[in-house]
Amino acid sequence: GIQVEQSPPDLILQEGANSTLRCNFSDSVNNLQWFHQNPWGQLINLFYIPSGTKQNGRLSATTVATERYSLLYISSSQTTDSGVYFCAVEAGGANNLFFGTGTRLTVIP
Amino acid sequence: NAGVTQTPKFQVLKTGQSMTLQCAQDMNHEYMSWYRQDPGMGLRLIHYSVGAGITDQGEVPNGYNVSRSTTEDFPLRLLSAAPSQTSVYFCASRESRAGELFFGEGSRLTVL
Repeated sequence: GIQVEQSPPDLILQEGANSTLRCNFSDSVNNLQWFHQNPWGQLINLFYIPSGTKQNGRLSATTVATERYSLLYISSSQTTDSGVYFCAVEAGGANNLFFGTGTRLTVIP
Repeated sequence: NAGVTQTPKFQVLKTGQSMTLQCAQDMNHEYMSWYRQDPGMGLRLIHYSVGAGITDQGEVPNGYNVSRSTTEDFPLRLLSAAPSQTSVYFCASRESRAGELFFGEGSRLTVL
């Protein structure tokens, strides 16, 4: 099946700093989504972004499908941004999303 | 809309017992799926459904059964629980193949 790699595995930031999280995938995809899992375990959909760029407040994401990667940008980080960020992809012909192992972000006040 | 609702939120079983994790969504989504989350391994797909009456296996289907008799409900059955099935289980749904995925709050299962 398709391989999904996220980097870095762990990230510690001072409040107010910016960060970039990366998701590499091994095959062409027709679906890519980013999720945030908060410290209470809740999974929230951030972006549906199989290609192009989207922005939502302090968060933005870019997917370059031809080069098989996606980036999630967090600007002016806040303590509430802490948690684990997952990338999930669906390859052409498949009917299910495969998840990476995530990037654990800790934002320190 | 309540979104995706899972019950129970917590369950402790003994090895060999059976149980059903319930999942319901009120968004009229065609696609539903079950994932398990284990430490350091992200989320792994157990079973999924692309519509009522249609189910298929994911990455880790052994030991689990599913059915989809209605659009709204997608229960996950453990026939004979094993300690290796100790995990957090998430149900998710999306409107279509291109839709955003929405998760339930999760069910924490411990098998002794």
